[in-house]
Amino acid sequence: DAGITQSPRHKVTETGTPVTLRCHQTENHRYMYWYRQDPGHGLRLIHYSYGVKDTDKGEVSDGYSVSRSKTEDFLLTLESATSSQTSVYFCAISLTGEGTDTQYFGPGTRLTVL
Amino acid sequence: SQKIEQNSEALNIQEGKTATLTCNYTNYSPAYLQWYRQDPGRGPVFLLLIRENEKEKRKERLKVTFDTTLKQSLFHITASQPADSATYLCAGGLGTNAGKSTFGDGTTLTVKP
Repeated sequence: DAGITQSPRHKVTETGTPVTLRCHQTENHRYMYWYRQDPGHGLRLIHYSYGVKDTDKGEVSDGYSVSRSKTEDFLLTLESATSSQTSVYFCAISLTGEGTDTQYFGPGTRLTVL
Repeated sequence: SQKIEQNSEALNIQEGKTATLTCNYTNYSPAYLQWYRQDPGRGPVFLLLIRENEKEKRKERLKVTFDTTLKQSLFHITASQPADSATYLCAGGLGTNAGKSTFGDGTTLTVKP
């Protein structure tokens, strides 16, 4: 599992509240990612990071922000949660080298916004 | 925009048969394709990667092909078992380490005893 944990694993919140999801890795990987997975849409990249304080947007970044102040932690924040952000969120790391981005995923966080 | 399409949402086969899953890409030319397995309530798990200059790759009972003319990858599981039942995701990457792979929606395989 590449030493990836996500917290919380489940969360129910109300529209308009801020929510922060945490991804923690133990193996010092440089690249980390946040995806959301929804029926009919597959996995979609929200944001990714290529080092401490280095982040970039993915295809569905609106309404989300990220921070990476330490190599091992990558935080995803929903500043004001909406019902459309109800989803399963996966964190991933990739092993660099050889020009590929094979990714190893965490167990996921199921977020419900009421 | 670049797209990965996995033709079947669901595939049901009998134990012992070969399962064949299809992945088509449009609007871009991935440098490699990857296949992942995902079980319910779990994150995807990497299975195989094939590069554009490779026609075929094997790993135990798994075989994947990459046809740049048809813009397609086929993923085969031979001698399938009920334990192979899962959702299989295809992803196409551009050859950088920047996490730019595009994922398909997946095909759910059910192997019946």
